[in-house]
Amino acid sequence: DVKVTQSSRYLVKRTGEKVFLECVQDMDHENMFWYRQDPGLGLRLIYFSYDVKMKEKGDIPEGYSVSREKKERFSLILESASTNQTSMYLCASSVAEYEQYFGPGTRLTVT
Amino acid sequence: GQNIDQPTEMTATEGAIVQINCTYQTSGFNGLFWYQQHAGEAPTFLSYNVLDGLEEKGRFSSFLSRSKGYSYLLLKELQMKDSASYLCAVHPSNYQLIWGAGTKLIIKP
Repeated sequence: DVKVTQSSRYLVKRTGEKVFLECVQDMDHENMFWYRQDPGLGLRLIYFSYDVKMKEKGDIPEGYSVSREKKERFSLILESASTNQTSMYLCASSVAEYEQYFGPGTRLTVT
Repeated sequence: GQNIDQPTEMTATEGAIVQINCTYQTSGFNGLFWYQQHAGEAPTFLSYNVLDGLEEKGRFSSFLSRSKGYSYLLLKELQMKDSASYLCAVHPSNYQLIWGAGTKLIIKP
């Protein structure tokens, strides 16, 4: 059964902290994605990766970085968390251009 | 620019039929996805249309017209558990998807 897991369901951090969100998939998918989802807005792509050590900026990469050292693992890093980064963060993976499978999401609150 | 439009919210009655529309304007087109997302949960895949026409999958069907930049998701025999947001997403030209804001569907008894 397809599975994408994320390190935390809920996270509370203070302004200025460095935040790590980790995503792991067990489907041997080449592509992995990080999105954020806010009320009234569609899913917005932060970064994606189509191979190990490869990354591409999405629509809103400012304030974020990513790391993909192993095929199954894709990490999102907030270098210095700010209150406007309070959001739901969703990780997804896919094979080529086919459907994306999502993790359960991490609801991050920055105070 | 690239744009996907869906109604923000729809209400329907248990047992009835509802059609959720999606119109898109994108720089390219390789396919259109529909996802379901229950409140507080991750989106789950419903359907994928590449060619024009209707794809049926149980109570759910999805239609695509590429010339009109238009798709709809048809839900039949509505059940309370169908209360969710329905997301339309277009695959324009690479591995990325362009997402609509989603349609919140409320089912009333």
